[in-house]
Amino acid sequence: GAGVSQSPSNKVTEKGKDVELRCDPISGHTALYWYRQRLGQGLEFLIYFQGNSAPDKSGLPSDRFSAERTGESVSTLTIQRTQQEDSAVYLCASSLGLTGQGRHEQYFGPGTRLTVT
Amino acid sequence: DQQVKQNSPSLSVQEGRISILNCDYTNSMFDYFLWYKKYPAEGPTFLISISSIKDKNEDGRFTVFLNKSAKHLSLHIVPSQPGDSAVYFCAASHNQGGKLIFGQGTELSVKP
Repeated sequence: GAGVSQSPSNKVTEKGKDVELRCDPISGHTALYWYRQRLGQGLEFLIYFQGNSAPDKSGLPSDRFSAERTGESVSTLTIQRTQQEDSAVYLCASSLGLTGQGRHEQYFGPGTRLTVT
Repeated sequence: DQQVKQNSPSLSVQEGRISILNCDYTNSMFDYFLWYKKYPAEGPTFLISISSIKDKNEDGRFTVFLNKSAKHLSLHIVPSQPGDSAVYFCAASHNQGGKLIFGQGTELSVKP
């Protein structure tokens, strides 16, 4: 079946502009996660959505970052007034249920490489 | 505060031999651990996981060992193949959350 898809695959933007990144999770997966990976580093948690529960936003680095999810489908991550330190690969993942509650592994998309000039 | 650590940034192994990748954690609330493999320009691919109620889980050439008292886990790949060359990440979660905490990764190179 189809995996997690993300768009765009690459995005170059000027400092100060807003960007929107999109994630389509695996069908039937109730949990959706956003991470970012800066060059040479591990993945850093940003936010997750699980069903109708309030999202866990504890990883968002500043109020310039926000995310939405429509039901149990598409999610968008928005970065306002981008800064150079926002340059990273932004990865989306989904799982059948919440990882911590049901031992569900997360399946990742290919990522969006964001470059802020 | 790095709760999951992979202290070896790189590892080189001969084809056919065993690869051992190590991971240490500090948070005793972690109870589920996963290994992911990542090729350049791709997202991480799930390999194998282990729950804290076990000390070993095996899937084909891949075995994960968990030592709870030492807060240490390792991934064994036997026999190693050139196609295993990638960056390997360990990750951990605890039973009340959804987020994964990742290590920094170990780049494995398997030489023919």
